[in-house]
Amino acid sequence: QKEVEQDPGPLSVPEGAIVSLNCTYSNSAFQYFMWYRQYSRKGPELLMYTYSSGNKEDGRFTAQVDKSSKYISLFIRDSQPSDSATYLCAMGDAGNMLTFGGGTRLMVKP
Amino acid sequence: SAVISQKPSRDICQRGTSLTIQCQVDSQVTMMFWYRQQPGQSLTLIATANQGSEATYESGFVIDKFPISRPNLTFSTLTVSNMSPEDSSIYLCSVEGEGAFQEQYFGPGTRLTVT
Repeated sequence: QKEVEQDPGPLSVPEGAIVSLNCTYSNSAFQYFMWYRQYSRKGPELLMYTYSSGNKEDGRFTAQVDKSSKYISLFIRDSQPSDSATYLCAMGDAGNMLTFGGGTRLMVKP
Repeated sequence: SAVISQKPSRDICQRGTSLTIQCQVDSQVTMMFWYRQQPGQSLTLIATANQGSEATYESGFVIDKFPISRPNLTFSTLTVSNMSPEDSSIYLCSVEGEGAFQEQYFGPGTRLTVT
């Protein structure tokens, strides 16, 4: 079993929809949680990061962490075609390394 | 966040040859990381490179195959040695952020094809 599980998709939604992307993890030592967006043929771009359980909002993006359930989510409101990309969750413990999920490919149709 | 560049952006190489990938950062950073991303897959950490010390390799990666240099706080190289088609992948460098959340910032990647 992988430490971080993420549905690979693809997830196809119409423009304007609310998108929910999720990751589950098994390592209770993970303290830091991040979401990256990766466009085709580009490097991953850090979208959001958080430490504690609860919600963190940034524009159309909301990151949610539930440590008791070992579950994190990224919500995208009013999704746009430009949001079409692969979204990677990443987690870190007290060390300096990150463990990445496999990525979910999102397609937002105009 | 730091601005990271990589050279080359892509290359096609012959089996048995070696390629050195460069990673340049616009600010001084302590830790740099090298990842591999195989087609359709997530990121796998190859090694962590600190300036002034030997790189630390992850399980499955060895120095003879992936030698790394870190001559200063803004630059690192990764060499992929004696390449085979299985080494075809995207190679990414990243640096740690300035925050306390262990966030990392990535370069644009080097797309390597071995024929």
